[in-house]
Amino acid sequence: SQTIHQWPATLVQPVGSPLSLECTVEGTSNPNLYWYRQAAGRGLQLLFYSVGIGQISSEVPQNLSASRPQDRQFILSSKKLLLSDSGFYLCAWRAGQSSGNTIYFGEGSWLTVV
Amino acid sequence: AQSVTQLGSHVSVSEGALVLLRCNYSSSVPPYLFWYVQYPNQGLQLLLKYTTGATLVKGINGFEAEFKKSETSFHLTKPSAHMSDAAEYFCAVSENGGYNKLIFGAGTRLAVHP
Repeated sequence: SQTIHQWPATLVQPVGSPLSLECTVEGTSNPNLYWYRQAAGRGLQLLFYSVGIGQISSEVPQNLSASRPQDRQFILSSKKLLLSDSGFYLCAWRAGQSSGNTIYFGEGSWLTVV
Repeated sequence: AQSVTQLGSHVSVSEGALVLLRCNYSSSVPPYLFWYVQYPNQGLQLLLKYTTGATLVKGINGFEAEFKKSETSFHLTKPSAHMSDAAEYFCAVSENGGYNKLIFGAGTRLAVHP
């Protein structure tokens, strides 16, 4: 069966420091991968999606970037964090058409920028 | 462009009472529709989904939702609320496209009191 792992689960970073959140998917190949952010008291905002290795699409302009160095690995990064980058970050992957194109989520990463 | 509106950011019901969480969407093509649940400090778990076929779909934990094209709605219901249903619920829409990104509503926090 397919599983998705996301880490770290929680981190506190000072303003101006770098960020790296990592996500890996097991049990599937060539998945569509996504990074969402959930700010406190708000819904989920799609940040990036990827349909293949090295292919990244950004949904909103921001201080973050994403990379997909391997088929099942998706990384969210920042060179210099801002206070407004605080939030709950969720990695997700999409199952194929036979599974109704369902998107499944990781457990999330809490980022607090201080 | 797709959008999702969830009426009521907070809903409170008594244990044993009917749960009704409202969701309306806009989409230029037949949509795929989803309900996700999020328990505190966790990722999102799929409750149910509509892709094609029967418009009344049943999900986990006794929840169900009905797709009404004429009303562009996909309301979530459960006949009898349980304390363990207290969580945040998100409605989402996805077009049948190449990358199938999900567009989420702002979420509805359900409180269940004795």
